[in-house]
Amino acid sequence: NAGVTQTPKFRVLKTGQSMTLLCAQDMNHEYMYWYRQDPGMGLRLIHYSVGEGTTAKGEVPDGYNVSRLKKQNFLLGLESAAPSQTSVYFCASSYQDRGRGNTEAFFGQGTRLTVV
Amino acid sequence: AQSVSQHNHHVILSEAASLELGCNYSYGGTVNLFWYVQYPGQHLQLLLKYFSGDPLVKGIKGFEAEFIKSKFSFNLRKPSVQWSDTAEYFCAGGTNTGNQFYFGTGTSLTVIP
Repeated sequence: NAGVTQTPKFRVLKTGQSMTLLCAQDMNHEYMYWYRQDPGMGLRLIHYSVGEGTTAKGEVPDGYNVSRLKKQNFLLGLESAAPSQTSVYFCASSYQDRGRGNTEAFFGQGTRLTVV
Repeated sequence: AQSVSQHNHHVILSEAASLELGCNYSYGGTVNLFWYVQYPGQHLQLLLKYFSGDPLVKGIKGFEAEFIKSKFSFNLRKPSVQWSDTAEYFCAGGTNTGNQFYFGTGTSLTVIP
């Protein structure tokens, strides 16, 4: 099992450029998440999805868009990158256990994005 | 708003010292609580989790955490730390009806040999 795989692992963008980060999971999880990690701020939720074809905003959604066309994939898009979006991006997936709710999150290896 | 807070931002310990990292949650209902570890340059990995039952939860690598409902706390402990425990530690919470995780801001642990 590969678990959660993110591509690319590193990227440098110029201000105003666009890009898409891909997250793929092979665990048949319903829920998927995109977080950004910044020093001193922990993990902040950007967008999430509770199933194929669904997306929802998290804590810091501005400047990002997402799509979940297939259950195993969750794409994060930056339409016009800004230096404030320089961060490490983590994708995660989880599943609901009946009665227990949201189980643990499984994380990808991260994407280090620099916007210059 | 539902949230999880971690009191210690940076902790420095010598090897063999005991560790306790604080975590508090601010919401009610049936809570699910987690501790994750992030080694330098790596992704988050689960250390332990609590859903219900015995409030003392044992995890990997000798870590344990105790759920104290009256204090809204889920502190992480280890009796004797090693240099290899140097990492960032995140507490996270969820509920049995929700679909999000609420992460604390993390605690950076440095263990000096």
